[in-house]
Amino acid sequence: TQLLEQSPQFLSIQEGENLTVYCNSSSVFSSLQWYRQEPGEGPVLLVTVVTGGEVKKLKRLTFQFGDARKDSSLHITAAQPGDTGLYLCAGGSQSTDKLIFGTGTRLQVFP
Amino acid sequence: DTEVTQTPKHLVMGMTNKKSLKCEQHMGHRAMYWYKQKAKKPPELMFVYSYEKLSINESVPSRFSPECPNSSLLNLHLHALQPEDSALYLCASSQEKGVFGTGRNTGELFFGEGSRLTVL
Repeated sequence: TQLLEQSPQFLSIQEGENLTVYCNSSSVFSSLQWYRQEPGEGPVLLVTVVTGGEVKKLKRLTFQFGDARKDSSLHITAAQPGDTGLYLCAGGSQSTDKLIFGTGTRLQVFP
Repeated sequence: DTEVTQTPKHLVMGMTNKKSLKCEQHMGHRAMYWYKQKAKKPPELMFVYSYEKLSINESVPSRFSPECPNSSLLNLHLHALQPEDSALYLCASSQEKGVFGTGRNTGELFFGEGSRLTVL
């Protein structure tokens, strides 16, 4: 069974702090997506990375796909209360031909 | 605003009831999905439809019955549910069902806001 483990599970920080969320697996993924889900809503796609070593920036968010395409990270600079939510990585797997969701990281940013 | 619309937003039903969840998208997407999400957990895949045909059934109990009447609509028929089936049910669509061998078709999902189901 392919697993995507995210760490930390929970993160509670003050506004203005930086943070990094990790998404790790022992399996290789052909693509990796990051979603954010706010309470009472469905997940919203933030980014897709497909190339090993790829780095993408979305305003204060920086996403990286590991060289071996087994892991990814999300770094948020100067977190704001609007960043609060559940962050989910999701890997596209050739062997199962479906998207595998990570275990999730719940972020709370206090003003 | 999400372009995937789910109704109802909230549903309370007894174990003997029959109800349906509905999902609609007008983005021309050819793949549609049902996910189940328990509190503080990631979404779990239930069903995938590709070009209106059932492509993946993740061994879901038969008390959940999906239906895809056309490329824009996806239903989930519910019958004889158990209290442990209470969850947020998410519908999603993608342009095509992901083909994950190449990295070119990444099956990016567009989710609805979900239907929160409570089974009494």
